[in-house]
Amino acid sequence: EAQVTQNPRYLITVTGKKLTVTCSQNMNHEYMSWYRQDPGLGLRQIYYSMNVEVTDKGDVPEGYKVSRKEKRNFPLILESPSPNQTSLYFCASSLSSGEYNEQFFGPGTRLTVL
Amino acid sequence: AQSVAQPEDQVNVAEGNPLTVKCTYSVSGNPYLFWYVQYPNRGLQFLLKYITGDNLVKGSYGFEAEFNKSQTSFHLKKPSALVSDSALYFCAVSSSGSTLGRLYFGRGTQLTVWP
Repeated sequence: EAQVTQNPRYLITVTGKKLTVTCSQNMNHEYMSWYRQDPGLGLRQIYYSMNVEVTDKGDVPEGYKVSRKEKRNFPLILESPSPNQTSLYFCASSLSSGEYNEQFFGPGTRLTVL
Repeated sequence: AQSVAQPEDQVNVAEGNPLTVKCTYSVSGNPYLFWYVQYPNRGLQFLLKYITGDNLVKGSYGFEAEFNKSQTSFHLKKPSALVSDSALYFCAVSSSGSTLGRLYFGRGTQLTVWP
């Protein structure tokens, strides 16, 4: 089944404890992206990647890191999480970086930072 | 700057009635417009998109949207709403004038269809 998977689905952590949210897609998509969803703010793009070893900042990159060493994986790293990073996170992928391609979304990761 | 506005946080309709969820946009270059739906505790699902061509676009689950260049709008419509259409709907835009790879979402509209 074609899908985007994220792990973990739920995470409660404490301020300053490094964490990684994994994202993997099995559709051989070139493009991958991370978003955070907050009430009243919709989805905001954190980072995106147009291919292996190519990443760039979205609207809200502060406090996050990403890497794209393999085509299928695009982990989101929070080196020192803070409470304002409590949010619902979505990973997405699309066939190419063309601006007219629809994106496929993962199920989401709900992160709480205490 | 590229932006999307969904002027209504909530839309309530009775089952069987037509529904409209509004979206307006501001971009440089040619707009590429998308609608996504999010059911509770799920990720977003693609509904439909406008890239070029016919202004009326048909998508999944009986939804359609009309691109109006002069009004910079891309409203989502369905002739007869179902209770199962109740969900959170997001409009999104990219454009030929924006940085490749960037996608901008509206704040979302919660659609409730009551029996």
